Amino acid sequence: DTGVSQDPRHKITKRGQNVTFRCDPISEHNRLYWYRQTLGQGPEFLTYFQNEAQLEKSRLLSDRFSAERPKGSFSTLEIQHTEQGDSAMYLCASSLDETPGPVGETQYFGPGTRLLVL
Amino acid sequence: QQPVQSPQAVILREGEDAVINCSSSKALYSVHWYRQKHGEAPVFLMILLKGGEQKGHDKISASFNEKKQQSSLYLTASQLSYSGTYFCGTDFGNEKLTFGTGTRLTIIP
Repeated sequence: DTGVSQDPRHKITKRGQNVTFRCDPISEHNRLYWYRQTLGQGPEFLTYFQNEAQLEKSRLLSDRFSAERPKGSFSTLEIQHTEQGDSAMYLCASSLDETPGPVGETQYFGPGTRLLVL
Repeated sequence: QQPVQSPQAVILREGEDAVINCSSSKALYSVHWYRQKHGEAPVFLMILLKGGEQKGHDKISASFNEKKQQSSLYLTASQLSYSGTYFCGTDFGNEKLTFGTGTRLTIIP
């Protein structure tokens, strides 16, 4: 088991550009979460997938953000027309929870992608 | 709905004990404890699901009160490796974790 991986680990972009991040969850994990974390704060929920279905999106996730999980495996998070306020660590986590419902299983976090928007 | 953690920060000498609290105004389905070192991802410590539950491993343990609104993390005989920021992640039964405000723990030799 290689754990959750994320790519890239760091991204510097100019305001207005689009960026895409990738997350590979632990194999056979049904749930995949995206969180955003700013300095000194805890992770904030953005969205999650139960297999390939995106079941919930936070109000933090504006129309410029989109996430996909084709075939229920890896996931991508895209930010269009980036703004300086998007600068943060973007964390992905996965868990074994087999059906939609409360969080009963451990969420394992990836190393994160640190985004800096200039 | 963000749970409140206390204290916000604590400095200990190696070998001392610490207690970190996580309080919610609403009953929780579960509580998940994580430790995060600077620049790294949160690392899972333990999960509590039942009111009145206590669990632990090695010198780190946690409890979940009967009303399922408060959890405490206990660190005994602290080691330098315990340094970091501790977060409780709470589930209100809505399929996601809401993380607390964090407690920064510094262990000095």
